[in-house]
Order: sequence, then C-alpha cells, then structure tokens
Amino acid sequence: QKEVEQDPGPLSVPEGAIVSLNCTYSNSAFQYFMWYRQYSRKGPELLMYTYSSGNKEDGRFTAQVDKSSKYISLFIRDSQPSDSATYLCAMKKTLDSSYKLIFGSGTRLLVRP
Amino acid sequence: GAGVSQSPSNKVTEKGKDVELRCDPISGHTALYWYRQSLGQGLEFLIYFQGNSAPDKSGLPSDRFSAERTGGSVSTLTIQRTQQEDSAVYLCASSLPFSLDRVTEAFFGQGTRLTVV
Repeated sequence: QKEVEQDPGPLSVPEGAIVSLNCTYSNSAFQYFMWYRQYSRKGPELLMYTYSSGNKEDGRFTAQVDKSSKYISLFIRDSQPSDSATYLCAMKKTLDSSYKLIFGSGTRLLVRP
Repeated sequence: GAGVSQSPSNKVTEKGKDVELRCDPISGHTALYWYRQSLGQGLEFLIYFQGNSAPDKSGLPSDRFSAERTGGSVSTLTIQRTQQEDSAVYLCASSLPFSLDRVTEAFFGQGTRLTVV
C-alpha cells in the first residue's frame, strides 16, 4: 500500500465549476501538506501548503487538512481552462531534516471552456 | 534564467549504456534534490544534497545510480548500464536550507525525459 493515495482522474469539469481534489495517507507522522500543480512537460510548482490540520485559503484555492481522517483536499473555485494541469499532493514529516516529500500520483484536471 | 535548469531535456539511450543528467540549481540554494517521475506515478525521491554532501540517498533504487554535487552548485545524476525500467522523467529541485519553523519551498526544473530502448 502506498503511503499517499490519489485518484489519477482525469477529472473533466466545465469552466466555472468548483473542483475538489483529494488525497488520503496512512502515516500519522506527516505534518506538512502541500499541493503542487504540474503543467504538461513542466516541473511541479508549489501552489499551497498547510501545517497540521485546518483550512488555508489563497484566492480561488482552498486547502483543507483533516488529520483525524488522514485526508486532505484542494478546492478550486470558479475553475478556468488555465487550471487544466496535473495536481499532486505531497507530505512531509515534521522532524525530518531533509526535504524528502512523499508525493501522490497526481490527479489530471481538465477544465472545458 | 533564474530558475532550475536541467539538461538535456530529452535523452534516448540504448539499454546498457551509461547516462549523465545535469542540474543547475538556483543561485544561493544550498539544498538540491533529485526525484524520478514514471508514467502515471507520483514523484519518487532519489537523493538530497546539502551543499556537496548527500545526507539522504535512501531513494536511489540500485547501485547503478549515483549522484554528485560540486562547488555547492551543479549536480549530476549518473545511471550506469541503463535498463528499460529506468525510463522516466528525472526532476531536480533546489531550495534554501531546510528550516524546522517554516516550509522551505523547493523549485523544480523542467526535468530530463529519459527513454531507454
């Protein structure tokens, strides 16, 4: 069983829809949770990160962490065709002194005009 | 440019040959990471450098894989006697030194797409 599970999609939505992307994980030692966006043939770029549980909002993006359920989500409001990309969740243990992120396999999102 | 630069962008090699992949990190970033992304898979951690030393090389899949970093800057990932299962996108990232009190953002290069035929 992978430490981080993510539905690969693809997820196809019409422009303006609310998108929900999710990951589950098995290791309770994870404390930092991140979402990366990866366009085709590009490297991932950090979208948002949260520490421990709770919500964090940045413009059209909201990240949620539920540590009791070992479940994290990324919501995209008023989705745009430019949001079409692969979204990767990633996690890190607090006291790990390296930047060893554990990634999900990514969900491919397509926003139709 | 100011970003992480990787070369070559694409590499096709014959099974059994050695390959070298290069990463130029962002200036001033002392931490450097190599990841591998296979088709339909997430990023798989390979190795982490702090300066020229590699305190965590736990992700290297076999002794055919090695990496070095010189001058605290450029890094090369070498794969000896390549196998078809080595085909993947190899991504390099760099960041400021790790800190316990904040998330240290890693900036990724565009990757090297390796195909072993």
